[in-house]
Amino acid sequence: AQSVTQLGSHVSVSEGALVLLRCNYSSSVPPYLFWYVQYPNQGLQLLLKYTSAATLVKGINGFEAEFKKSETSFHLTKPSAHMSDAAEYFCAVSDRDNQGGKLIFGQGTELSVKP
Amino acid sequence: GAVVSQHPSWVICKSGTSVKIECRSLDFQATTMFWYRQFPKQSLMLMATSNEGSKATYEQGVEKDKFLINHASLTLSTLTVTSAHPEDSSFYICSARTRRTYTGELFFGEGSRLTVL
Repeated sequence: AQSVTQLGSHVSVSEGALVLLRCNYSSSVPPYLFWYVQYPNQGLQLLLKYTSAATLVKGINGFEAEFKKSETSFHLTKPSAHMSDAAEYFCAVSDRDNQGGKLIFGQGTELSVKP
Repeated sequence: GAVVSQHPSWVICKSGTSVKIECRSLDFQATTMFWYRQFPKQSLMLMATSNEGSKATYEQGVEKDKFLINHASLTLSTLTVTSAHPEDSSFYICSARTRRTYTGELFFGEGSRLTVL
């Protein structure tokens, strides 16, 4: 069964500092991987996705993630944090062989940005 | 493109009443919609998968008689919480997959916050 683990339920960085949110997956086949962001009392917005075209994926708002098969990881990074980046971030996995398959979400990581 | 809208955003109801939440895909046809439930400071829990024109598939532990899901058209799915109780209070989020999306991502509605008094 597929699963996603996000290390650290809460990450705090200073404005301008590097953001690193960790995600490891478990899947029997190469998966599709996603990062979503959620602001309070809102739905989820897709930040970026990995579909095998390139291992380094660039997303919106300056975020990017790198797929590392050997480490079964898909960590999210941003070189310089902004106050507006404070939100909840979810990593998710989808079964590549099942186009109608479900998205399985990690536990989420709350990002705080200090001035 | 790929906009999903939910209504209402907030709803307060009395215990024992039923509440309907609508999920619409505004600019695409959604053959499959998913309903999630989210408790405060927690991740999304998949409740059911809704396929247009057929019965919803519920996840283990989700009461199908309490959470009625209807997907009557390619742009509308509804979730009805029947005989709501305070423990049903939660944030409910719908999502949809487009026919063009072969890589699995979902597009999410804004969510509906239900409070049962």
